[in-house]
Amino acid sequence: AQSVAQPEDQVKVAEGNPLTVKCTYSVSGNPYLFWYVQYPNRGLQFLLKYITGDNLVKGSYGFEAEFNKSQTSFHLKKPSALVSDSALYFCAVRPYGGATNKLIFGTGTLLAVQP
Amino acid sequence: KAGVTQTPRYLIKTRGQQVTLSCSPISGHRSVSWYQQTPGQGLQFLFEYFSETQRNKGNFPGRFSGRQFSNSRSEMNVSTLELGDSALYLCASGGDQQFNEQFFGPGTRLTVL
Repeated sequence: AQSVAQPEDQVKVAEGNPLTVKCTYSVSGNPYLFWYVQYPNRGLQFLLKYITGDNLVKGSYGFEAEFNKSQTSFHLKKPSALVSDSALYFCAVRPYGGATNKLIFGTGTLLAVQP
Repeated sequence: KAGVTQTPRYLIKTRGQQVTLSCSPISGHRSVSWYQQTPGQGLQFLFEYFSETQRNKGNFPGRFSGRQFSNSRSEMNVSTLELGDSALYLCASGGDQQFNEQFFGPGTRLTVL
């Protein structure tokens, strides 16, 4: 079965420190990988995606993610966290091939950046 | 470009009633997907429409249905509402290529009493 795992329900970091939000996936073939962020009472906002090529992907608001095929991981990172980064983060996968835009989401990680 | 819009933003219904939610995708997007978000189940895929045809469906009962119009606007309907249908319903639109990201609307918060 295709799935996405976000092993940490919550991540706490101090403002100015680097942050990492972990994601691993299980799909057949090569997937497209995405990160989204959700602020309270809002929809999901796209951060970045991996399609192919360079394993380090840069996205919005200073976020980046590293694709590791051997570990089937796609961890989200930021060198210096801001209080305004506090939100719910979702990793998602779309298996390559097939006529569908369906996304399979992880359970989400609540990021709390403390001043 | 205007984003994805969803109406209404909030709905309160009672058990047994039916409800229709509406989604207008980003101009030019032919793919519209619907997701249900709950604290217990997280984000679950309901169905996807592309050029007025349903091309993928999640594991939800037949009470959940949808359609897409020629202008790509989409509606989803839930009949015979149950308490467990209380959720945030998110609509997402995307481009034609599978590597395109999806853009989400603000959601419709449905409360079933």
